[in-house]
Amino acid sequence: KAGVTQTPRYLIKTRGQQVTLSCSPISGHRSVSWYQQTPGQGLQFLFEYFSETQRNKGNFPGRFSGRQFSNSRSEMNVSTLELGDSALYLCASCRDRGTDTQYFGPGTRLTVL
Amino acid sequence: QQPVQSPQAVILREGEDAVINCSSSKALYSVHWYRQKHGEAPVFLMILLKGGEQKGHEKISASFNEKKQQSSLYLTASQLSYSGTYFCGTGSGGGADGLTFGKGTHLIIQP
Repeated sequence: KAGVTQTPRYLIKTRGQQVTLSCSPISGHRSVSWYQQTPGQGLQFLFEYFSETQRNKGNFPGRFSGRQFSNSRSEMNVSTLELGDSALYLCASCRDRGTDTQYFGPGTRLTVL
Repeated sequence: QQPVQSPQAVILREGEDAVINCSSSKALYSVHWYRQKHGEAPVFLMILLKGGEQKGHEKISASFNEKKQQSSLYLTASQLSYSGTYFCGTGSGGGADGLTFGKGTHLIIQP
């Protein structure tokens, strides 16, 4: 079974630009969560999507948004990039909501210059 | 609130045992343990649920004290492949969504 895939793997942007990251969950998984990982703050929850609806949201500004498609693939968008947005963005999928295991993708490394 | 992991880092010789702790100030429903190697995605190790249910790898053991809101991960007879950063993620609701992760424990296994 193929794992969680994320594209692109690496991205370099400049301040003020916007970026879209993509995540394809494991086949059959309907829940997709996004996390930001930085050396200083560690892994921080951004949001979770299930059945094309955002179910949970972390403590991030409105510049961070996402969506989920009918095939469970998800995208996250960051507008008006700031230097502090440089991070590894991880997507995780699980089969269903509830007490289920999350499987992480390899991440997208975003560098904002 | 972010759970607190201890120790922050530990260096072991191959074959030695280690315990990694995770403590939360909030009532917990679940604790999830992951290991991440440099440049790789976190890999699931174990999930512990309120009520005693556990799911995970056979070679990994962990405990969950609901009253103290604490969990411990036990690594016995460590192997070189155990090296990495261990994260605990805590859930206060009924699911794995929206986990709050600790800052991680760096484990180095030396031959």
